[in-house]
Amino acid sequence: KAGVTQTPRYLIKTRGQQVTLSCSPISGHRSVSWYQQTPGQGLQFLFEYFSETQRNKGNFPGRFSGRQFSNSRSEMNVSTLELGDSALYLCASSSGTDPYEQYFGPGTRLTVT
Amino acid sequence: GEDVEQSLFLSVREGDSSVINCTYTDSSSTYLYWYKQEPGAGLQLLTYIFSNMDMKQDQRLTVLLNKKDKHLSLRIADTQTGDSAIYFCAESTGSSASKIIFGSGTRLSIRP
Repeated sequence: KAGVTQTPRYLIKTRGQQVTLSCSPISGHRSVSWYQQTPGQGLQFLFEYFSETQRNKGNFPGRFSGRQFSNSRSEMNVSTLELGDSALYLCASSSGTDPYEQYFGPGTRLTVT
Repeated sequence: GEDVEQSLFLSVREGDSSVINCTYTDSSSTYLYWYKQEPGAGLQLLTYIFSNMDMKQDQRLTVLLNKKDKHLSLRIADTQTGDSAIYFCAESTGSSASKIIFGSGTRLSIRP
């Protein structure tokens, strides 16, 4: 079974731009969660999508948004990029039911200059 | 509120047991998890425990849960150099328990 894939793996953007990251979950998984990982703040939950609906969200500004398609692939968008958005963005795939065993992708490293 | 705390570093001699501790605040958490992250890699789920259990053992790993004190620990028996990594404790919360909150991670280093 193929693992979780994230594209692109690395991205450099400038302040004010917007970016879209993509995540393809494990086949059959209906839940995709997104996390931001930084040295200062650690791993922070952004949001979770299940069957195309946002089911949970963390405490991030509205500049961070996401969506999920009917094939369970998910995209995350960040608008009006700030320097502080530089981070490793991880997505995790799960069946969406207890016990929420999550399988993580390798991440997208975003650098904002 | 939701908060998960861990100590940042742990150094253990090869062959000894490692014990990584974690405290959490959400008493309604249904599952608690341990993840491992090796350098340059994503997170790997090691094990999890349901909140109505006290202990779970899986080969070299033992998870202990003290629900009254909201304390979780991961014991790694016979620690090997390949166990060097960052270990994250996490709790499930949210309306459907699918919101996972992670601790800051404990960096485990192994001494020869």
